[in-house]
Amino acid sequence: DIQMTQSPSSLSASVGDRVTITCRASQSISSYLNWYQQKPGKAPKLLIYAASRLQSGVPSRFSGSGSGTDFTLTISSLQPEDFATYYCQQSYSTPITFGQGTRLEIK
Amino acid sequence: EVQLVESGGGLVQPGGSLRLSCAASGFTFNSYWMTWVRQAPGKGLEWVANINQDGSEKYYVDSVKGRFTISRDNAKNSLYLQMNSLRAEDTAVYYCARRNLEGGDYFDYWGQGTRVTVSS
Repeated sequence: DIQMTQSPSSLSASVGDRVTITCRASQSISSYLNWYQQKPGKAPKLLIYAASRLQSGVPSRFSGSGSGTDFTLTISSLQPEDFATYYCQQSYSTPITFGQGTRLEIK
Repeated sequence: EVQLVESGGGLVQPGGSLRLSCAASGFTFNSYWMTWVRQAPGKGLEWVANINQDGSEKYYVDSVKGRFTISRDNAKNSLYLQMNSLRAEDTAVYYCARRNLEGGDYFDYWGQGTRVTVSS
């Protein structure tokens, strides 16, 4: 199974900050990497697919990069609604696996 | 508008069974793979199972193989998860999601989830 490791596990930041979350795969997954945002009590929401493609309707302050084993999610200027938990997910092989999550909190 | 609505969750004793349903609307259901993902209380997301468009291909996470069965009824635009021999560690919110293979491989729409609690 491919293990996905996110860092940091939690992060405190302020509105307007630039934030980067990292996801590392235990083996190469090409660009089969997706990012989701989840707010408490809600279903996950797709932000980025195929490592760098912005899902329709997602604000352009979200961006993704990387390929192979190392990936990043960047929020260019944090907005109040961005405080949530973020998950990476690999779809390169079954079983599909998620990172453990990064909780983004207000400083 | 794409909608996925899960139902069928509840409290069940260890060793019991439960059948989850997911009603889909707003898209051509029989054109998409579908999936179940679960989230234990306070934990992260765990993929459970996938099924292809006509139900001929099914994949499961090891921890549910032999106990859970994913299925679909394209005439009813519905996805199902039959869960047998339930264990305490199956306690979670179960989400159905649409798998999209256009330009990648991702879950682009999710239901609101249905809660399953396995406890005596």
